[in-house]
Amino acid sequence: EVQLVQSGPEVRKPGESLRISCTTSGYTFTNFWIGWVRQMPGKGLEWMGVIYPGDSDTRYGPSFQGQVTISADKSISTAYLQWTSVRASDTATYYCARQVDRGIPFEFWGQGTLVTVSS
Amino acid sequence: SYVLTQPPSLSVAPGETARVACGGDDIGRKSVHWYQQKPGQAPLLVVHDDSDRPSGVPERFSGSNSGNTATLIISRVEAGDEGDYYCQVWDSSSDHPVFGAGTTVTVL
Repeated sequence: EVQLVQSGPEVRKPGESLRISCTTSGYTFTNFWIGWVRQMPGKGLEWMGVIYPGDSDTRYGPSFQGQVTISADKSISTAYLQWTSVRASDTATYYCARQVDRGIPFEFWGQGTLVTVSS
Repeated sequence: SYVLTQPPSLSVAPGETARVACGGDDIGRKSVHWYQQKPGQAPLLVVHDDSDRPSGVPERFSGSNSGNTATLIISRVEAGDEGDYYCQVWDSSSDHPVFGAGTTVTVL
């Protein structure tokens, strides 16, 4: 059974760093893309970026390039989304999702990680 | 960047048919995917490639795509179908996926 399990809710102050994770199981981690999707409170879905763990090929959406870093650790089948300095506007729920290929729909999703940034 | 337009909300009576529209420039030439999101839950893929259903999704969910409008069709609507529905396509010009703003379906 394919599973994507995300790390728990996080609370940070503006300017702090943060890394959230997406641990996968039930399939070969290096053969599929993992994307990240942001959902701000009461708003819709926004694609942030994607990584192919097989060769670490990483792409970012134009609004997120330079704002976040996507990475993956093949040894533990886990993808990461990280910030060096969070802002209040980063408050949102973040989802990871698996794709067979970048043009293919997101077929499996993590449960989401709520990030709250407040002073 | 490619823009997808969805109506903000739609109300439908139980047992009726809901049609959720997704507009885009010549969207009929693209493959459209639909996600259902219930409150507090992650999105769920309900239709892919215009009209195909993933395993486990009821046959009541179907889709069509032609011209400038794609449509998610929910037949014999049930109370459990309430939620937000998002369309999504691959924008080849910007090389990334694009989501519509979502439609909230309310069952009366």
